[in-house]
Amino acid sequence: DGGITQSPKYLFRKEGQNVTLSCEQNLNHDAMYWYRQDPGQGLRLIYYSQIVNDFQKGDIAEGYSVSREKKESFPLTVTSAQKNPTAFYLCASSNRASNTEAFFGQGTRLTVV
Amino acid sequence: DAKTTQPNSMESNEEEPVHLPCNHSTISGTDYIHWYRQLPSQGPEYVIHGLTSNVNNRMASLAIAEDRKSSTLILHRATLRDAAVYYCTGASYGKLTFGQGTILTVHP
Repeated sequence: DGGITQSPKYLFRKEGQNVTLSCEQNLNHDAMYWYRQDPGQGLRLIYYSQIVNDFQKGDIAEGYSVSREKKESFPLTVTSAQKNPTAFYLCASSNRASNTEAFFGQGTRLTVV
Repeated sequence: DAKTTQPNSMESNEEEPVHLPCNHSTISGTDYIHWYRQLPSQGPEYVIHGLTSNVNNRMASLAIAEDRKSSTLILHRATLRDAAVYYCTGASYGKLTFGQGTILTVHP
C-alpha cells in the first residue's frame, strides 16, 4: 500500500545522545516535512525539503539536522544541542503544489531521560 | 506564512451540523487553505482544501470568505468519530503552517 512510514513508534534515549528518526514514503512525493508536537499544542515545522538534495529550515530548526539523499527518505537527527527533545515527531509528504493534500506518518514519540 | 487563529474548543451533539471557524488574515493571494484533523497520538488526516470558492467533499464542506481572511469548515452531521483536533492551515508552495487547532467534542 502507498503511504508514509515513520519508525520507530516509541524511542527512548539518554540525554546527550544523538538520535535519528526515520521517515519513508512511497507516494512519489517531491516534498517532505518534519514537525514537532508538544502535549496540547499544535504542530511546529522543523525542516522541509521540496526536492532531493535540498532542504530548508522551518521555525524551530535549532538542535536538529536532516538529509534528503533519496526522494523517498527524509531522516531527522535530534542532536544533543536540542535542549528539550522529548516530543511527538511527525513526518509528512506532499506534492510541491499548494493545492494538493499532505500525508502524515503515525509519528514517533521520543523520550529523552 | 499565513498565521491562523481558531477557537480553542467547540462542542456539538451527534447528528447536528458543526461550523468550525478560522481566521487567516495574513494569507497571501496564492496560499491555499487546508483543513486537517488529528486524533490523539496519531498523525493528522487531510479533510479539505480550497483557494477562493467554496468546496465540498465526502467528509465536509469549506466556506471561504470573499476577502479570504476567514473560512469555515462545515461538518454536516457530526458523529462521534468526528471528535478530534481540527487544524486550519495556510499552504504556501506546499509548505503547511499549523496553528493551535480547535478541539471538537461530540456528545452522543
